[in-house]
Amino acid sequence: GENVEQHPSTLSVQEGDSAVIKCTYSDSASNYFPWYKQELGKRPQLIIDIRSNVGEKKDQRIAVTLNKTAKHFSLHITETQPEDSAVYFCAASTSSTLGRLYFGRGTQLTVWP
Amino acid sequence: GAVVSQHPSWVICKSGTSVKIECRSLDFQATTMFWYRQFPKQSLMLMATSNEGSKATYEQGVEKDKFLINHASLTLSTLTVTSAHPEDSSFYICSAEQVIDGYTFGSGTRLTVV
Repeated sequence: GENVEQHPSTLSVQEGDSAVIKCTYSDSASNYFPWYKQELGKRPQLIIDIRSNVGEKKDQRIAVTLNKTAKHFSLHITETQPEDSAVYFCAASTSSTLGRLYFGRGTQLTVWP
Repeated sequence: GAVVSQHPSWVICKSGTSVKIECRSLDFQATTMFWYRQFPKQSLMLMATSNEGSKATYEQGVEKDKFLINHASLTLSTLTVTSAHPEDSSFYICSAEQVIDGYTFGSGTRLTVV
């Protein structure tokens, strides 16, 4: 099955700085890559996603890049704010109709004011 | 957008008793529902995949007789933790698959077995 690796496990940045979280996947058939933000005790919230026919996608301060050849994708958050502090999960899906998600281990992002 | 309502949000039960968790899709039909378990500071681990009208598919290491999943209708899927023990204490969360909007997660259930 698919194996998703995520790094780093913890990330601390100063407010206003950028944060980058990286994930790799093993199955070249994976074609959908969402990123989730999860606050303590809450459900994961989709913040951005990308499909395998696209190399980059941006939504205001958040961007995701995908390198299919290298099988890795990254989350970029610019101008970080304290409210960005949370656990971020990357995931991958191999089914054309979505199917099950394979999650990374998560990154605890802390943004210091 | 699509909403999955999950109940209860938290439950405390005695060891040996059973607990039922419900997930309802409010404005769409959920053909497939995924059930996850999340221990503190860990990732979401898929327990099983349920499809409406058929038996659930369990992940390796998940006891199907302990974690009973029922998906009898397109809007309701349930997870029953039978004979719960303290090691079953965890955050349980469901997720419905949607082709257009991706995955919709329930709000989660914090189970504490004492």
